[in-house]
Parts: sequence; structure tokens; C-alpha cells
Amino acid sequence: GQQVMQIPQYQHVQEGEDFTTYCNSSTTLSNIQWYKQRPGGHPVFLIQLVKSGEVKKQKRLTFQFGEAKKNSSLHITATQTTDVGTYFCAGAKSTASKLTFGTGTRLQVTL
Amino acid sequence: DAGVTQSPTHLIKTRGQQVTLRCSPKSGHDTVSWYQQALGQGPQFIFQYYEEEERQRGNFPDRFSGHQFPNYSSELNVNALLLGDSALYLCASSRRQGGTEAFFGQGTRLTVV
Repeated sequence: GQQVMQIPQYQHVQEGEDFTTYCNSSTTLSNIQWYKQRPGGHPVFLIQLVKSGEVKKQKRLTFQFGEAKKNSSLHITATQTTDVGTYFCAGAKSTASKLTFGTGTRLQVTL
Repeated sequence: DAGVTQSPTHLIKTRGQQVTLRCSPKSGHDTVSWYQQALGQGPQFIFQYYEEEERQRGNFPDRFSGHQFPNYSSELNVNALLLGDSALYLCASSRRQGGTEAFFGQGTRLTVV
């Protein structure tokens, strides 16, 4: 079955440092979505990427979708303590198909 | 505009019992998906409902069943509970057409003792 892996599993940074998480799917995706889950919370949608090679920015967050539509990345510039949480990518094989979530990257930010 | 609402928020059940979890989707959404999230792991897809039918199913046994009502709300039923069923159960709603994002509810924390 389809597998989605993320690296690293965990990253601890000092506030102001940059952070990147990478997502790799075993199969080609129709689209990929990114979610953030705070401790004790539920996944909250961040963004959806659809086109090969697409790059989208949201303030300090930059999202990329690979040319082969099998991998993606999330980069956070100058992290803040409010960025703490687990970041999940989730891939779909078609627009109406289920989401397969990645293993997640837990980000810890300290002052 | 209410988002996705789930009930109850917490539940404790005994092994062998049955449980029903409920979900009301976000206004305008017609598709409901259920996920199981064990501690420290990503959500695992259980099944998806659209037009009151199960459309897709993940690798979960038949003990897990569901239903969608005409108003798009949904239930997840789990029979013969096992200790390993303890998890956060998440409901996500979306629109079938357009490949739009999934909106998650706050989840139901199920503990099986």
C-alpha cells in the first residue's frame, strides 16, 4: 500500500533558527496537504499543493511539491515558540481519494 | 459557521464493549472521513462516507463500521473493543468535488480498559 515517510521525526531548534521537514511518498500523488497539530490538539490544515514543482509561501512558511509529485517539503524561516507542534504531510492519489498521512515531524522551539 | 464537531470528547469503555462516536461536518461539506490516531503517530484512515455510502476503507477490521445520515453527519461504531483500540478518533469533513482540504474535528479520546 501507499506509504508516506517524513524526516526528521523530531527536531529541536532555538528560536530564530530555520527548520525543514521532508516528506516522501512511495507513489505519485495527485495533491499533497500539510497539517499542523499542536500538543493535545487536532490536525489543522495549512496548505494544499497540486502542481508539479509548485512552491507556495505563507509568511515564514515555504512549501514545495516535487517535480515527480512524490515528495514535498516545508521550510520555516526564523522559528518562533508558536511554531511548536507536529507537522504532517498527507498525500492523495486523486482529488476524491483518502489522505495518507506521513509519520510526522515534531518541532520543539526553545528561547 | 460551526466547524466540524465531534461527540463525546472523551470516553472510557471496557474490553468487549461497543462504542458509537458522532461527527457533524462543516457547513457545506458532504464527505466525512474517519481517522484513528494512536499516541505519537499520524492519523490512520479508517473509512470515508459520501452520499450515505462507504466509499473507501483503510486496513481496519469489520469491527469498525460507520454510517452517514442525509444531513451528512456520521457515526463510527466499534464492536468488541480491544485495548489496542485506545486512541484519538478524528473526523474530517471535506467537499467531494474540487480536492479541497479536510477540516478536522477536535477528536474523541477513547480509552479501553
